[in-house]
Amino acid sequence: EAGVTQFPSHSVIEKGQTVTLRCDPISGHDNLYWYRRVMGKEIKFLLHFVKESKQDESGMPNNRFLAERTGGTYSTLKVQPAELEDSGVYFCASSQDRVRQFFGPGTRLTVL
Amino acid sequence: QKEVEQNSGPLSVPEGAIASLNCTYSDRGSQSFFWYRQYSGKSPELIMSIYSNGDKEDGRFTAQLNKASQYVSLLIRDSQPSDSATYLCAPEAHRGSTLGRLYFGRGTQLTVWP
Repeated sequence: EAGVTQFPSHSVIEKGQTVTLRCDPISGHDNLYWYRRVMGKEIKFLLHFVKESKQDESGMPNNRFLAERTGGTYSTLKVQPAELEDSGVYFCASSQDRVRQFFGPGTRLTVL
Repeated sequence: QKEVEQNSGPLSVPEGAIASLNCTYSDRGSQSFFWYRQYSGKSPELIMSIYSNGDKEDGRFTAQLNKASQYVSLLIRDSQPSDSATYLCAPEAHRGSTLGRLYFGRGTQLTVWP
């Protein structure tokens, strides 16, 4: 069974540009989560989808971040416009039972 | 107050020893607790889950939970160099729409030397 996949693995952009991160969950997992780890800090929750619906987006830092989950399958997280403080590793996780979450390899975002 | 606090590392133990990792959390209502292992540059990997007070054993790993003290720990017996990684404590939020989100500590870096 394939695990959670994320694309790209690395992204380097300039301040003010737009970046879109993609996550493909484990097949059959209705729950999809986005987390972020900025340098020196703990991993922090961003939002939670159940199928195509946003269950909890209270962790999104501001309105420059937009997450979507088309048809309840893959999800995208767009940052527009990117700021320096957005640099970090963005993890996606999926879960079938809403309890055990399985993480993807992450996307390392660097904003210059 | 941080939501999850883990004992500061790095923790260094010799091969074959017991490594003890500790964690306290602030959400008194949390019911589910997870330990993740993260190798450098890799994704967090779920290694243990515990839901009830007491001990839960899985191979060389034992998780211990005390909800009254808001404390969870992970013991690794017969530590191996391959256990060298950062260990993340992650209680689950329990309130309403936030159910399912995990809170993470900063992690404890463990080094097992041969």
